[in-house]
Amino acid sequence: AAGVIQSPRHLIKEKRETATLKCYPIPRHDTVYWYQQGPGQDPQFLISFYEKMQSDKGSIPDRFSAQQFSDYHSELNMSSLELGDSALYFCASSLEPSRGSGNTIYFGEGSWLTVV
Amino acid sequence: AQKVTQAQTEISVVEKEDVTLDCVYETRDTTYYLFWYKQPPSGELVFLIRRNSFDEQNEISGRYSWNFQKSTSSFNFTITASQVVDSAVYFCALVILTGGGNKLTFGTGTQLKVEL
Repeated sequence: AAGVIQSPRHLIKEKRETATLKCYPIPRHDTVYWYQQGPGQDPQFLISFYEKMQSDKGSIPDRFSAQQFSDYHSELNMSSLELGDSALYFCASSLEPSRGSGNTIYFGEGSWLTVV
Repeated sequence: AQKVTQAQTEISVVEKEDVTLDCVYETRDTTYYLFWYKQPPSGELVFLIRRNSFDEQNEISGRYSWNFQKSTSSFNFTITASQVVDSAVYFCALVILTGGGNKLTFGTGTQLKVEL
């Protein structure tokens, strides 16, 4: 079965540069989430989208922005990168939670961002 | 606010031993979902199980079993006859739907090491 696809899997950026991560949700999933996992930490929720509208916001820095497009894929844009942004970034998808049993959240393999 | 506690930071067992990973959660909501995810060294987050707050039936899937007890707010995970491939970080997570936007609150994870 198709899973959540993230790209790139690895990227290295210098401080103050910009990075863009892409996410393609599981087909027919209408909700996309972004999580950030620092070294040795649990994943932290950044932001989510339902039907291309932002549905919830967590601890996402102002330097980061995200959007969901008409084909339901999502992009996370990170500007003015800092060393502390080095982390594993996960995209996840699900059906909208009110649709009964559809709220199981499936994660992609993650994108490793290293800021040097 | 909701919280998930995984008191065991790291567990080491010898192959074929049984091991139980503890998870205790806190929420004031009556409707919620509990999850377990596995994160192997390669980094991806693998969905293992979802349980809703109204279903206290224990579940068994192969060598995996889960014990959900609302009375103690616990959702423990047992691996029977552990194998080296079970070595990973295991996260317990909670979702509330009321104003929660379906975002996961993770515990800090338990690192399981299975040795020969």
